[in-house]
Amino acid sequence: QLHLQESGPGLVNPSETLSLTCAVSGGSISTGRYYWGWIRQPPGKGLECIGTIYFSGNSYYNPSVESRVTTSMDTSRNQFSLTLSSVTAADTAVYYCARGLVTESYYYHYMDIWGKGTTVTVSS
Amino acid sequence: EVVLTQSPGTLSLSPGERATLSCRASQTIGTSYLAWYQQKPGQAPRLLIYGASSRATGIPDRFSGSGSGTDFTLTISKLEPEDFAVYYCQHYGTPRPPFTFGGGTKVEIK
Repeated sequence: QLHLQESGPGLVNPSETLSLTCAVSGGSISTGRYYWGWIRQPPGKGLECIGTIYFSGNSYYNPSVESRVTTSMDTSRNQFSLTLSSVTAADTAVYYCARGLVTESYYYHYMDIWGKGTTVTVSS
Repeated sequence: EVVLTQSPGTLSLSPGERATLSCRASQTIGTSYLAWYQQKPGQAPRLLIYGASSRATGIPDRFSGSGSGTDFTLTISKLEPEDFAVYYCQHYGTPRPPFTFGGGTKVEIK
């Protein structure tokens, strides 16, 4: 059974760079059937998908963070990562990683497996 | 960008009652590419429904989805105590993610 586990620093200073990793077990991230995504949820608010990455390396980002975000994959460790630069208090959130389906025509679909999330607080 | 508007914001019901949640899209969603997720406090979202009406693996049949075009509905036929949670809709099904979520509907115990 596929399992996703986020890890991160917990606390980040304003203006610094946030780095998060999602370790995947029970299946390979190097598959064309799935993409891998990052979703965040500020305290008491809704869900925002901020970035996705496909095994080919294609990444797509939410316009709200596009200038500050990068996603990457480490197939040797079976994990993928998110970096978010120049963070502010508005980036304080629970960050989830998730697996999404990709069709044969490379259409991205719903996310069926999620990690438990990691809390990130931006504060000095 | 597709904007999803969920209503009501909060639904106060008793166990055993029927819950009807709405998700309206700002433009037609092709091929009913609409998913519903359930989120309980302190937990990650869980996929309930995809393709507007298909239940995900392990989801009880008291959960059903319907709709097409711009109007979609999640129905919980008889609320169980574990169903009190926040529900989000999300569109998908294009070559270019990420996809937006609706603002959520909280189903609370009356």
